[in-house]
Amino acid sequence: AQKVTQAQTEISVVEKEDVTLDCVYETRDTTYYLFWYKQPPSGELVFLIRRNSFDEQNEISGRYSWNFQKSTSSFNFTITASQVVDSAVYFCALRFTGTASKLTFGTGTRLQVTL
Amino acid sequence: DAGITQSPRHKVTETGTPVTLRCHQTENHRYMYWYRQDPGHGLRLIHYSYGVKDTDKGEVSDGYSVSRSKTEDFLLTLESATSSQTSVYFCAISESYLNTEAFFGQGTRLTVV
Repeated sequence: AQKVTQAQTEISVVEKEDVTLDCVYETRDTTYYLFWYKQPPSGELVFLIRRNSFDEQNEISGRYSWNFQKSTSSFNFTITASQVVDSAVYFCALRFTGTASKLTFGTGTRLQVTL
Repeated sequence: DAGITQSPRHKVTETGTPVTLRCHQTENHRYMYWYRQDPGHGLRLIHYSYGVKDTDKGEVSDGYSVSRSKTEDFLLTLESATSSQTSVYFCAISESYLNTEAFFGQGTRLTVV
């Protein structure tokens, strides 16, 4: 069975703090992809990053960074120096081999950044 | 931005009535999906399509049907709407089946009263 767990339902931080959003996944496949999406208050889903199971290199994009560790089945997302505009719900998702390779989502983490 | 349009964006309907939501894409992507989003559940897959007239069920397909007669359109029908189907519905498209991200439409907020 494929499963994505985002144990943090809601996180509140003060602007400029660093924050890490956790994502733990389960899959028996050796080939799979992990994703992060952002859902701002306006409601749309915005793609942030894709990572395949063979690439454990961490990635940094501006204030965002992602830490992929196969040994712990985790794909955590860190926002450095958070800003109010980072306030959103963040979803981690898993895509595995199979018919149409559906995306399986976690339940999301709501991040609230305040001044 | 990927060309995905969902219609309607908002709808209020009565229990027992059929409802059809439309997803239209201009990207010529093969794969299309319908998800529903509910508090505490994240996004759950209702149905998906891997080509014209090729569709299959997702994890929460009861009470829903889909059709895809053209590459660009994927219709979701609630056969007889119930209050438990009050939700936000998202359509997504994907070019290939694994090594690409899925792009989402703006969502349709459906209220069943």
